[in-house]
Amino acid sequence: AQSVTQPDIHITVSEGASLELRCNYSYGATPYLFWYVQSPGQGLQLLLKYFSGDTLVQGIKGFEAEFKRSQSSFNLRKPSVHWSDAAEYFCAVGAGTTDSWGKLQFGAGTQVVVTP
Amino acid sequence: GAGVSQSPSNKVTEKGKDVELRCDPISGHTALYWYRQRLGQGLEFLIYFQGNSAPDKSGLPSDRFSAERTGESVSTLTIQRTQQEDSAVYLCASSAGAGMQFFGPGTRLTVL
Repeated sequence: AQSVTQPDIHITVSEGASLELRCNYSYGATPYLFWYVQSPGQGLQLLLKYFSGDTLVQGIKGFEAEFKRSQSSFNLRKPSVHWSDAAEYFCAVGAGTTDSWGKLQFGAGTQVVVTP
Repeated sequence: GAGVSQSPSNKVTEKGKDVELRCDPISGHTALYWYRQRLGQGLEFLIYFQGNSAPDKSGLPSDRFSAERTGESVSTLTIQRTQQEDSAVYLCASSAGAGMQFFGPGTRLTVL
């Protein structure tokens, strides 16, 4: 069965510093990978996705993520965080089959706090 | 509409009562999903509708939970005989395919 692990429950970062959020997945086939952000009082917003091709994907708000098959990882990065990046971030994996590719398995989330 | 909408936004109910949560997907999206997010936790998949195919109900936690979808439009998630552990935010998402799901704002259910 597929699973997603986000090892860091909580990360504190200074404004302007770089950010990296870890995500490891377990899945037998080629997965579809996603990062979502959930800000207080707002719904989940898709930051970026990986289906195939270039393993470095660019997303919105200056985020990027790199798919590393050998490490079963899909870490999210941002070179310089802004106070507005304080939120909870979820990594998700979708089964790469035509029967169930839409059902997402989410990690437990990483809460990001940005300090001045 | 412009996005996925859900109603009500908040629902407080007493233990043992039945509740219905509604989701209006983005027009034209053939797939619709329900997830549950308990406080401080990630999202749990509940059920998935894709076109006219039989729904994937593998995530429903008990037979007290059921969902219906009319064609490719509105869906209703019903929880019978609610329990306190059912308290959570229930999120609906829709997609046109390829797994890219757009989420609604959620319904916060509180069972007293």
